[in-house]
Amino acid sequence: QVQLQESGPGLVKPSETLSLTCVVSGFSITSASYWGWIRQAPGKGLEWIGTVYHYGSTLYNPSLKSRVIISVDTSKSQFSLRLDSVTASDAAVYYCARGPALNSNWDSYFDYWGQGALVTVSS
Amino acid sequence: EIVLTQSPGTLSLSPGERATLSCGASQSIRSNYLAWYQHRPGLAPRLLIYDASDRAAGIPDRFSGSGSGTDFTLTISRLEPEDSAVYYCQQYGSSPPTITFGQGTRLEI
Repeated sequence: QVQLQESGPGLVKPSETLSLTCVVSGFSITSASYWGWIRQAPGKGLEWIGTVYHYGSTLYNPSLKSRVIISVDTSKSQFSLRLDSVTASDAAVYYCARGPALNSNWDSYFDYWGQGALVTVSS
Repeated sequence: EIVLTQSPGTLSLSPGERATLSCGASQSIRSNYLAWYQHRPGLAPRLLIYDASDRAAGIPDRFSGSGSGTDFTLTISRLEPEDSAVYYCQQYGSSPPTITFGQGTRLEI
């Protein structure tokens, strides 16, 4: 049973850095999978943030690319999200998810999701 | 970047009826790499359909996907109250690669 669990501070101050970690269990993080972060701001739809492969290669949403770093730690079976210089518009529920690596072109849907982590941005 | 436009914005139907949700792409999606998700409040999104028409594991056959190129449809037959949710389409077949979601269709039963 594949399980993903997000963790991290639920409150971040404006202009500071949001950091979240997703622990993967029941499935090898080094398998042919892409590991992604998706968020949903209050009253909004789903927004893809970025994806990492276990080798460490990444693909980011162009609109967030300048502020995002996604990394993977295979020894801990986890991957992480770092979002710099947050503003109120970054307040959202952040989901981590797994997608099968259909090919080497980053083509993937997301078949397993974490339960989500609510992040509030406030001083 | 491929923009996905979903219609209608909200759909209100009765149990037992059929729902038809549309997802239009601003350009053709390579290999029909389009997925559909169900998102209920407080829960994680649930994959329903991938590759435009393949049902994900454990998804009832009441859910079906169709379409190709730029026009895709999710059909839910014999609606049940628990089908109330927001449904999103997602493309994963663009060049250069990127992932985008539609804005969602709210289905009320």
